[in-house]
Parts: sequence; structure tokens; C-alpha cells
Amino acid sequence: KNEVEQSPQNLTAQEGEFITINCSYSVGISALHWLQQHPGGGIVSLFMLSSGKKKHGRLIATINIQEKHSSLHITASHPRDSAVYICAGQGGTDKLIFGTGTRLQVFP
Amino acid sequence: EPEVTQTPSHQVTQMGQEVILRCVPISNHLYFYWYRQILGQKVEFLVSFYNNEISEKSEIFDDQFSVERPDGSNFTLKIRSTKLEDSAMYFCASTQLIFGTSGANVLTFGAGSRLTVL
Repeated sequence: KNEVEQSPQNLTAQEGEFITINCSYSVGISALHWLQQHPGGGIVSLFMLSSGKKKHGRLIATINIQEKHSSLHITASHPRDSAVYICAGQGGTDKLIFGTGTRLQVFP
Repeated sequence: EPEVTQTPSHQVTQMGQEVILRCVPISNHLYFYWYRQILGQKVEFLVSFYNNEISEKSEIFDDQFSVERPDGSNFTLKIRSTKLEDSAMYFCASTQLIFGTSGANVLTFGAGSRLTVL
């Protein structure tokens, strides 16, 4: 069964801190998506990765295929980064299997 | 920036009633999805739709659920006879290309329709 596990479940940080959220996934998942869900519920796609590393602004996502592990990093965190960050795996089809999310709060 | 639009944003209904949730995907997108999120739980896949037919559905998507693209722009999710456990946020999503064919492909979600079944 395809599964996606995230850690930590909750994360608090001071503004400016470097943040890492981790995601492990099972055999059968060929690509990993990172998404952001805001308090109102809306979901925004951040990255889709099947290998290597991607960067967008202060966000960096990496994936290690051998270890079946991905990380999302936020550099110079800011209170507006406060949200739930979700990793979701994609197997042989186009459906996503979501993790439980990491609730991030960044305090000024 | 193009958006996926969902209506209604919130619907309250009585158990046993039919509900239709509507979505307008981005105009040049070809793949459409419904996901749901029960309060406090993770997002779950319901169904994917391409070329006017269902391409995949989950165990949740039983005979009470149906999807339709009635007019080439709207993409609807119908729940025939709602149950209490159908209360959730329902997200529509669309993408231009199936994943894996383009690194720049983006899955775009709507803001969600919150369904409350009493």
C-alpha cells in the first residue's frame, strides 16, 4: 500500500530561522509533491519532484530516491510562512496520496 | 493568474438530500480531480476525470457519488443521498498535462466547498 509519512506534526519557529520538514514514502511512489494549505483551507502546489532538488524563492525541496525521503526547507522564515505543509506521493497513476501535514507557526 | 473556481463555498444540507458541487477548471486544463478533507484529517483522493470519463476512483467514491462535465467548462460532483460522514471540505483540482510529462506542470486547486450534513 502506498503511504506517505511526515514529521514533525507541529513546528514552531522564530522569524528568521531555517526550517526543515521531512517526508518518507513507501515503495511504489514515483514523484513527491509539496503543497501549502492556509488556515482558510485553500491548497497551493509548491513543488513536484521526482529527483534532485528544486528551489523557489526561500523554499527548497529535495528528494532522495534511494532512501525514499524528501525534505522541504524554508530559509529565513517569516510569519507569513505559517501554514500547514503537506507532502503527497504520486504512484503509477495521477492520484495523490497525502500525508497528514506539518503545522508550522512562525513567530515574529 | 488563472484559477480553479468552486461553488458554493459552503453548503449546509439535511441527511438524505442530493448535493451538487461545482467547479470551473482552468480553461486549457485537461485533467480534473475531486479530493475531500474531513475536518482534522488528511486530504483524500476521490476521483480523476479525463476525456469525459472517469480515469480512476477511490473506494470512497461509491454509487452515491458521480461526476460530470456537462458543458465543457463546469466539472461537477454530485452526492445522491448525503450522509453525516460526507461532511467535509471538497477540493476540485485541474492540471494541463498528466504528471511526469512536464516538470513545469502544476496541479491547481480550487478554494474548496465546505459541505455540512445535518
